[in-house]
Amino acid sequence: QVQLQQSGAELAKPGTSVKLSCKASGYTFTSYYIYWVKQRPGQGLEWIGYIYPGNGGTYYSEKFKGKATFTADTSSSTAYMLLGSLTPEDSAYYFCARLGYWGQGVMVTVSS
Amino acid sequence: DVVLTQTPVSLLISLGGQASISCRSSQSLVHSNGNTYLHWYLQKPGQSPQLLIYQVSNRFSGIPDRFSGSGSGTDFTLKISRVEPEDLGVYYCLQRTHNPWTFGGGTKLELK
Repeated sequence: QVQLQQSGAELAKPGTSVKLSCKASGYTFTSYYIYWVKQRPGQGLEWIGYIYPGNGGTYYSEKFKGKATFTADTSSSTAYMLLGSLTPEDSAYYFCARLGYWGQGVMVTVSS
Repeated sequence: DVVLTQTPVSLLISLGGQASISCRSSQSLVHSNGNTYLHWYLQKPGQSPQLLIYQVSNRFSGIPDRFSGSGSGTDFTLKISRVEPEDLGVYYCLQRTHNPWTFGGGTKLELK
């Protein structure tokens, strides 16, 4: 069955970076977009962008250009999102997803 | 960017009743290939969103026929008949016809 397994919670200091992982299984990794979504506690869903592992193509929402960087390792069927120059406003749950399936989400907390 | 406006923001429904949620787009969601990429998700408390309906009216695997989607162009509706306790949560529409993809603001379904 299709599964997206995300890495564990992160606690980071302002100005640093975190790299979130999303390991896919149960389908052909290179055939589906992986997209990333941000959700602050008690708030709605915010689309960050996507990567197409088949060719490495990416698209970022304007708001997240320079903040998020997507990569994919086809040998391990794992997608990554690097979040840089962290501020407290980056504290949120981050989900990876493909059509029909979502990871469990990971909480990123930015605090000094 | 495409703006998706969901109404109502919250909905109080009795068990066994019917709910209707509207998602209105700021521009047509018909893709140049003729498809309309408007999807509906439910996020239950403490969980990742789950796909209910894809491309306007197609129920995802395992979704009961109490859920139905309709609409075209810029106006879309999700109907939930015979509401059950497991249907409670926040419903979101998502468009992926245009980049960047965008979510509606969400509709919270609660029991009366």
